[in-house]
Amino acid sequence: DGGITQSPKYLFRKEGQNVTLSCEQNLNHDAMYWYRQDPGQGLRLIYYSQIVNDFQKGDIAEGYSVSREKKESFPLTVTSAQKNPTAFYLCASSIRGYSYEQYFGPGTRLTVT
Amino acid sequence: AQKVTQAQTEISVVEKEDVTLDCVYETRDTTYYLFWYKQPPSGELVFLIRRNSFDEQNEISGRYSWNFQKSTSSFNFTITASQVVDSAVYFCALSPLNAGKSTFGDGTTLTVKP
Repeated sequence: DGGITQSPKYLFRKEGQNVTLSCEQNLNHDAMYWYRQDPGQGLRLIYYSQIVNDFQKGDIAEGYSVSREKKESFPLTVTSAQKNPTAFYLCASSIRGYSYEQYFGPGTRLTVT
Repeated sequence: AQKVTQAQTEISVVEKEDVTLDCVYETRDTTYYLFWYKQPPSGELVFLIRRNSFDEQNEISGRYSWNFQKSTSSFNFTITASQVVDSAVYFCALSPLNAGKSTFGDGTTLTVKP
């Protein structure tokens, strides 16, 4: 089955700790994305990668970092510099860039206390 | 700058009613793409439709239909004979053809009551 996997579904961390969210796709898509969703709100772009070893900041990149060493994988690290990290994080991919439909993973709900 | 407005924050209907979700957009690009996504309670967004700015033909897929009107910058989504399983948050999104990024609306929460 082709798709996007994110793990874990729920993640709990103490304030001040860095945490890495996993995102893997087997759709052979070039582009991958990370979004943040807060309750009752839309999606805000954190980072975007169109090809391996290249990525661009989105609207809310501060306090986050990413890597794209393999086409299939696009992990997101939430650092201690992120002021309000508690949120629902969604990873997505598309065959190429933004003009193509995005396919989303199931999301990771991160709670930082 | 791009903007997508989904003015209806929440809609509640009774099963079998028809319901229309509104989407109004702003862009300076002449070539762009419009999308609708569904987010059920499980949280994973599901792609529903992609439409380019040169194709104003309405689309029907089962109980779903979309009305794209470039003159009013709208891309509305209608569900005919709604069902409880249609309960979800629906997002409209806009993407330019070249460069830029996708812009999502804030979503419309649809509740279909039995």
